[in-house]
Order: sequence, then structure tokens, then C-alpha cells
Amino acid sequence: DGGITQSPKYLFRKEGQNVTLSCEQNLNHDAMYWYRQDPGQGLRLIYYSQIVNDFQKGDIAEGYSVSREKKESFPLTVTSAQKNPTAFYLCASSRDRGGNQPQHFGDGTRLSIL
Amino acid sequence: QQPVQSPQAVILREGEDAVINCSSSKALYSVHWYRQKHGEAPVFLMILLKGGEQKGHEKISASFNEKKQQSSLYLTASQLSYSGTYFCGTAVMYSGGGADGLTFGKGTHLIIQP
Repeated sequence: DGGITQSPKYLFRKEGQNVTLSCEQNLNHDAMYWYRQDPGQGLRLIYYSQIVNDFQKGDIAEGYSVSREKKESFPLTVTSAQKNPTAFYLCASSRDRGGNQPQHFGDGTRLSIL
Repeated sequence: QQPVQSPQAVILREGEDAVINCSSSKALYSVHWYRQKHGEAPVFLMILLKGGEQKGHEKISASFNEKKQQSSLYLTASQLSYSGTYFCGTAVMYSGGGADGLTFGKGTHLIIQP
């Protein structure tokens, strides 16, 4: 079955540590996204990519980095510069970034601070 | 700019109807609706494109008023399975006719009681 796989499901970060969240899709979608979800805040866009080797900052990119070396993969690194990383992180993909394409979401990674 | 959803929360008895609204201050190309159960991924419900069409999905339907830049999601004869948080995502229209990516509202919490 086609879909989006995020790993790990739960992740704990120590102070000063970088951690990487994995996102893989087998839907052959060009566009991929990372969102952060906090209680009462909805989904806020961190980064998006419309094509391999290209990505753009979203609304809350500070303290995060991404790469898009393969069409299927869009990992997110939460750096030590992100001072409040505790949140639910969702990866999504769509055929393209056009407004007429639905986004398909992974099951999310819940990140907490130790 | 983030669309505004109302109400923030709704509590219903099984079998009752609900309406969730989503409005934007910008000209919209499309409105997307998603439902999220607690701790799970958002699930796509439907897309409404500019043109004022109404779409349906089981007992869940939606409309898009292009003049007012508003969309409404209608849940009729609600079932326990309809409980969750409903998000609208809006794609703002470019002056050249294309569309930007999605911006999500903060969500509406729907609780269905037996």
C-alpha cells in the first residue's frame, strides 16, 4: 500500500543535541512538507520541498533544517538552536504544491525534551 | 495568513447536526478539509475549488462561498465516529491565477456524545 512512513514514533532529545526525524513516501509525490503541531495552534509549516534538491522555509523554520536528496525522502533535523522543540511533528506529501491537490500525512513523531 | 475557524469546539449528541466555518481575508483558490483523531494523522475529507461548488462525503458535505472567502463543513446526523478535530486548509490565489500552498486553521474540536 502506498503511504507515508514517519519514524520514530516517539523521540527524546537532550539539551544541546540535534535529532533527525525520518519521512519516507512511496506515493511518487513531488511535494513534501513538515508541520509542527502544538495544542491549540493547528498545523504550522516548517519547511517544504517541491522537487529533489530544492526546499523552502515555511512559517517557523528557525532551529530546523531539511534535505531532499531523493524524491522519496525528506528528513527533518531539529537542531540545538530550537529552544522549544517539544511538539508533534507531521510529514505530508502531495502530487504537487498546487491548491487542488490533497495532502497525505504520516502518523507523526512526538518529540520531547529530557 | 491563517484562516479563522469557528466555533473552537462543539459538543453534540449522536444524531444532531453541526456546522463548522472557515474564513479568510484573502482571495482563495481552494479550501481543503481534514479530520484528525487524537494522536493520529489528519485524514483528508474533501477539496473545494473556487467556483462556489458544494461537495459531499457520506453524511459530511461542504460549501465554498467565493465572494465571502468562506467555507462551511456540514455534518448531518452525527455519529460517534465523527468525533475529532476538524481543520480547514486554504490556498491563497496568486494574481497570475496560480495558488500558494496550504495554510491551516487552528481547528475545531468536535465531541459526539451517545
